[in-house]
Amino acid sequence: TQLLEQSPQFLSIQEGENLTVYCNSSSVFSSLQWYRQEPGEGPVLLVTVVTGGEVKKLKRLTFQFGDARKDSSLHITAAQPGDTGLYLCASVSGSNYKLTFGKGTLLTVNP
Amino acid sequence: EAQVTQNPRYLITVTGKKLTVTCSQNMNHEYMSWYRQDPGLGLRQIYYSMNVEVTDKGDVPEGYKVSRKEKRNFPLILESPSPNQTSLYFCASRRTGHSNTEAFFGQGTRLTVV
Repeated sequence: TQLLEQSPQFLSIQEGENLTVYCNSSSVFSSLQWYRQEPGEGPVLLVTVVTGGEVKKLKRLTFQFGDARKDSSLHITAAQPGDTGLYLCASVSGSNYKLTFGKGTLLTVNP
Repeated sequence: EAQVTQNPRYLITVTGKKLTVTCSQNMNHEYMSWYRQDPGLGLRQIYYSMNVEVTDKGDVPEGYKVSRKEKRNFPLILESPSPNQTSLYFCASRRTGHSNTEAFFGQGTRLTVV
């Protein structure tokens, strides 16, 4: 099973600030997904990155996949209270299509 | 609307009393799985199913059973619940075929075993 390390574990910032969270592994990812989980809800997919060096943007969120496909980052510009939630990275490994999650970064954006 | 439906959302039960958490998806997905989410431990897979009548253990299967008699349903059964199974449970479904398909999650079941 591929281990995904996320950092930081917790992040509390003021509205309008920028932030970056990270997802790392000692193994190469075939692809990597980012999910957001809001309180009381299940995780929801934000993006999938597949190619080394790939950058994807989703409004104020920018996702980057490392050139060696062993790490990924999520950058949020001008964070808003609506961005509050648990951000999870996940990757599929093995012939059984197992989706393994990192432990997540809990982001709180204060008004 | 594409969705995964879990029931119940909240459940308080006593040690040893058998319970079932239901999960149903309307997307004709082959792959379904159950996770539990605990503080500091993240989401851990309990069981998964790659298709009807095909189930297998995930990372933390002890104390749980599943069945997959129909493609859309994947119930989680706790034959004799214990307090260490108090957790937030999620059912998820995905297409198979390649590694980057989206996982759709239910809204979760918060289980308390006293």
